[in-house]
Amino acid sequence: DTGVSQNPRHKITKRGQNVTFRCDPISEHNRLYWYRQTLGQGPEFLTYFQNEAQLEKSRLLSDRFSAERPKGSFSTLEIQRTEQGDSAMYLCASSLASGGAGANVLTFGAGSRLTVL
Amino acid sequence: AQSVTQPDIHITVSEGASLELRCNYSYGATPYLFWYVQSPGQGLQLLLKYFSGDTLVQGIKGFEAEFKRSQSSFNLRKPSVHWSDAAEYFCAVGGGLTGGGNKLTFGTGTQLKVEL
Repeated sequence: DTGVSQNPRHKITKRGQNVTFRCDPISEHNRLYWYRQTLGQGPEFLTYFQNEAQLEKSRLLSDRFSAERPKGSFSTLEIQRTEQGDSAMYLCASSLASGGAGANVLTFGAGSRLTVL
Repeated sequence: AQSVTQPDIHITVSEGASLELRCNYSYGATPYLFWYVQSPGQGLQLLLKYFSGDTLVQGIKGFEAEFKRSQSSFNLRKPSVHWSDAAEYFCAVGGGLTGGGNKLTFGTGTQLKVEL
């Protein structure tokens, strides 16, 4: 168990560019989540996968954002035409389906920090 | 909609003193409650969780939390704080997502400073 791995850890880009973040969850976990955390705030839910299916998306996930989990393992989060308001820490978490929803404990990665100039 | 309030943005305690971080939640059903800790530049580490049963739950690093349904609270406590406990603490309430996933709604966090 190597934990949840996120790359890159830091990304600085210019407004209008596209960026992609990758998340490698704990290998046996079938659920994967993306959250966004801005300065001084708690993380906010963006989207959620069970295996390769994207089951829920937050209203925060505008049409410039797309997330995929093509083989039910790693996931990517792409932001197109970045804006300064996209500057944040993007956190990935994974969990293993067991019992009820409450038993679903999320393990978080260290995050990918995006700075849009 | 579920929500979490952490009324204290910053707290400073002396090393060795006791600590209590407040958390109030709003949730329509039986809540699943969590405390996470975040060190600078790091992700979130789970301290403890409450699903059901005993309302006093023990976690890692000597932390505990008590669920009080009548007060909609889930306060985090530690009897003696260590300098290494300085970090940001987040309370979260969890609920079901389609397919059984657990969507966490976080509070805005409490930044803990420990004076030596």
